[in-house]
Amino acid sequence: GQQLNQSPQSMFIQEGEDVSMNCTSSSIFNTWLWYKQDPGEGPVLLIALYKAGELTSNGRLTAQFGITRKDSFLNISASIPSDVGIYFCAGQPFQGAQKLVFGQGTRLTINP
Amino acid sequence: SAVISQKPSRDICQRGTSLTIQCQVDSQVTMMFWYRQQPGQSLTLIATANQGSEATYESGFVIDKFPISRPNLTFSTLTVSNMSPEDSSIYLCSTEGGKGAFYGYTFGSGTRLTVV
Repeated sequence: GQQLNQSPQSMFIQEGEDVSMNCTSSSIFNTWLWYKQDPGEGPVLLIALYKAGELTSNGRLTAQFGITRKDSFLNISASIPSDVGIYFCAGQPFQGAQKLVFGQGTRLTINP
Repeated sequence: SAVISQKPSRDICQRGTSLTIQCQVDSQVTMMFWYRQQPGQSLTLIATANQGSEATYESGFVIDKFPISRPNLTFSTLTVSNMSPEDSSIYLCSTEGGKGAFYGYTFGSGTRLTVV
């Protein structure tokens, strides 16, 4: 089945630094979603991408849907302590399929 | 966007018993999804539940182990049956929904299950 390879698995950064993470796949996806999960909570949607090549921002977050439809990245600028958590990419594999495939997650730790 | 209330938030259960997890959505939705998140892992889809029909299970998940009910368009339950320690995970329900300007899938806060 389809798989998403998310990297890096973990990041340790200083407050104020920029963050970049990405997901790749050998399969085509029609929608890419980026989620953040805090301890004891369900994932919360950060950004959704619907078209190949699309570049979208949400505050300090920027994400892009790769032109090949097989990859996506998420950037966080000027990190702050509340950015700590686990970030997941998720893809909707093909038109009409309403289930998601998730990446393995990127655990972000910020040193103050 | 849909808001999901999931309960219980956590439970500790004896092996061999069953636990039923409930999800209530504040609006009518066509499809609801149940995921499992094993400790330190990503989310894996268990099944998709439509109102009025049998749930569709993903490879590796069977109805006898994870029976699902979907009695109406705002509610669903997942039962984890005959539990073993390997079933210790976070179970999450999901439905279509959005946050702010983005539309995707919304998740409940999860049920953290520990089987002893």
